[in-house]
Amino acid sequence: DIVMTQSPDSLAVSLGERATINCKSSQSVLYSSNNQNYLAWYQQKPGQPPKLLIYWASTRESGVPDRFSGSGSGTDFTLTISSLQAEDVAVYYCQEYYGNTRTFGQGTKVEIK
Amino acid sequence: QVQLQESGPGLVKPSETLSLTCAVSGDSVRSGRYFWSWIRQPPGKGLEWIGYVYFTGGTNYNPSLKSRVTISVDTSKNQFSLELRSVTAADTALYYCAREMGRTAPFDYWGQGALVTVSS
Repeated sequence: DIVMTQSPDSLAVSLGERATINCKSSQSVLYSSNNQNYLAWYQQKPGQPPKLLIYWASTRESGVPDRFSGSGSGTDFTLTISSLQAEDVAVYYCQEYYGNTRTFGQGTKVEIK
Repeated sequence: QVQLQESGPGLVKPSETLSLTCAVSGDSVRSGRYFWSWIRQPPGKGLEWIGYVYFTGGTNYNPSLKSRVTISVDTSKNQFSLELRSVTAADTALYYCAREMGRTAPFDYWGQGALVTVSS
């Protein structure tokens, strides 16, 4: 099974500053036949279900603000919030959908400094 | 607008079977484009994928739960269901149903979740 490891577990960022979350998979989630990375990012606010932000590692879901961006390939990925807003306080999860199973990272809690 | 709604008992006794249903509106579970999943989240912890069902009844489960799980689909009622047998306190969690965008794809729609507590 693929293991997804996020870092850091939590971070505090000032409003308007950049937040960066890393996700590492135990094996590559890049499918060579279509050159796609089978990696998604979700945002979960308290009392709410997760919300899809990014898929195929860098494709923003419809309606997601452009301050959210995803990058990386193979085993190393990054979610960047370019200018943190108060409404971005949440836990963020990466998730692979490469194989027969689905695995999430342990989550990264983003707070305001 | 696609909506998913979980329902079922909020309290289950140890060793018994947890049963939940997810009613789908705004879409058809018969749609061959999507897969229908269950995901759980213990209080204060992260997300664990349980498994999915396709409209044909085909399934795929998390190996760590496979021996205790059955996911089924009822196309006539436009819903799908989860059964988890021989539960323990470790199965206490918020259980979400979700739509997977394809055979290998992320989850684009989620229910609000149903809290199930395992306790005598």
